[in-house]
Amino acid sequence: DVKVTQSSRYLVKRTGEKVFLECVQDMDHENMFWYRQDPGLGLRLIYFSYDVKMKEKGDIPEGYSVSREKKERFSLILESASTNQTSMYLCASSPAGDTQYFGPGTRLTVL
Amino acid sequence: EDKVVQSPLSLVVHEGDTVTLNCSYEVTNFRSLLWYKQEKKAPTFLFMLTSSGIEKKSGRLSSILDKKELFSILNITATQTGDSAVYLCAVSSVSNYKLTFGKGTLLTVNP
Repeated sequence: DVKVTQSSRYLVKRTGEKVFLECVQDMDHENMFWYRQDPGLGLRLIYFSYDVKMKEKGDIPEGYSVSREKKERFSLILESASTNQTSMYLCASSPAGDTQYFGPGTRLTVL
Repeated sequence: EDKVVQSPLSLVVHEGDTVTLNCSYEVTNFRSLLWYKQEKKAPTFLFMLTSSGIEKKSGRLSSILDKKELFSILNITATQTGDSAVYLCAVSSVSNYKLTFGKGTLLTVNP
């Protein structure tokens, strides 16, 4: 079974804090993705990576950065959290094909 | 820009009913269409349909892809309360690894 884990299920941070969200997959997948999911807006792609140290901007990269130093780990960084970044964050991974497997999600609240 | 539109946005049925969820899309150089089920947490993969596999079935769930008319449907027969979830449709193109998601259909199955 594919397993994608995320470091926290729930997180509360203050405006201006630096926030790290970690994602780990155990299936040696090449591709990893970070999405946010908001009511009425659906799933939106923030960043993705198709190899170690490689990253590509998704549809809404502003205010975020990512890091992929090892194949199994993909980190999402909020340099200075803002209230409009309160959301559900979902990480996914996929092999060379299309099927993406999702982690359980991190519900981030920025106060 | 790739686009996915799902309908209806929400649907309430009784156990035992049959439902049809719709997904229309616009994508440059279509590669595949995927269906996911999302309950309280992360989306779980249901089906992937490509040019070489335009009909899939698993138990009470089935899906077809009409590449000419650019849509897909997801059918659920003999619905159960456990089918209550948001159903997401996504498409990918040949040019990259990204999935573009629709906003989902919220299905509620009442006993």
